[in-house]
Amino acid sequence: DTEVTQTPKHLVMGMTNKKSLKCEQHMGHRAMYWYKQKAKKPPELMFVYSYEKLSINESVPSRFSPECPNSSLLNLHLHALQPEDSALYLCASSFTRAGTTFVDEQFFGPGTRLTVL
Amino acid sequence: SQQGEEDPQALSIQEGENATMNCSYKTSINNLQWYRQNSGRGLVHLILIRSNEREKHSGRLRVTLDTSKKSSSLLITASRAADTASYFCATATRRGGKLIFGQGTELSVKP
Repeated sequence: DTEVTQTPKHLVMGMTNKKSLKCEQHMGHRAMYWYKQKAKKPPELMFVYSYEKLSINESVPSRFSPECPNSSLLNLHLHALQPEDSALYLCASSFTRAGTTFVDEQFFGPGTRLTVL
Repeated sequence: SQQGEEDPQALSIQEGENATMNCSYKTSINNLQWYRQNSGRGLVHLILIRSNEREKHSGRLRVTLDTSKKSSSLLITASRAADTASYFCATATRRGGKLIFGQGTELSVKP
């Protein structure tokens, strides 16, 4: 199974709502990533988890809260978002080696299209 | 600042023609990767070339890497309408633990 799944596909939320994005992979990858992508722009890295530990936070506002409950799951909790947070949120996973910063090919999910009203 | 810059930003060709996209980067890398993205979808990995490799092929794709010029190119031969997509290069530095994406090239292949 070489698939990364993301739910939901679309999400509309108000600025006071709390919601979560979910990502799952069963390839045995121990590195998982959250990206944010605006239209006609490249993906921007938000967070990296390596062996279920947060290894990179690209100075993301605290209204985005990542969680890695186990090696197959990655969540992104959303609270008090702003309209400018509307974007495509992509999850990815890749093989990695413990104790290294090696970056292999990444497998992406289809994304969650988020709209903040 | 962005590690990778790509040109052209947009490219329109006829089916059957070849398409060439270029990527430049600023710092030493461990590997460079190319991805394709169909409109509003997830990215698909195309090819990875390591810093000690100069050329790599995969089907109709040919990637070159020139570390002295800090640049790479992606050639798609005999293009098809289904190749219409955005193409991104992404670099992995030796200690960064992450990919940094270029701005992308939007390819349109007309039947």
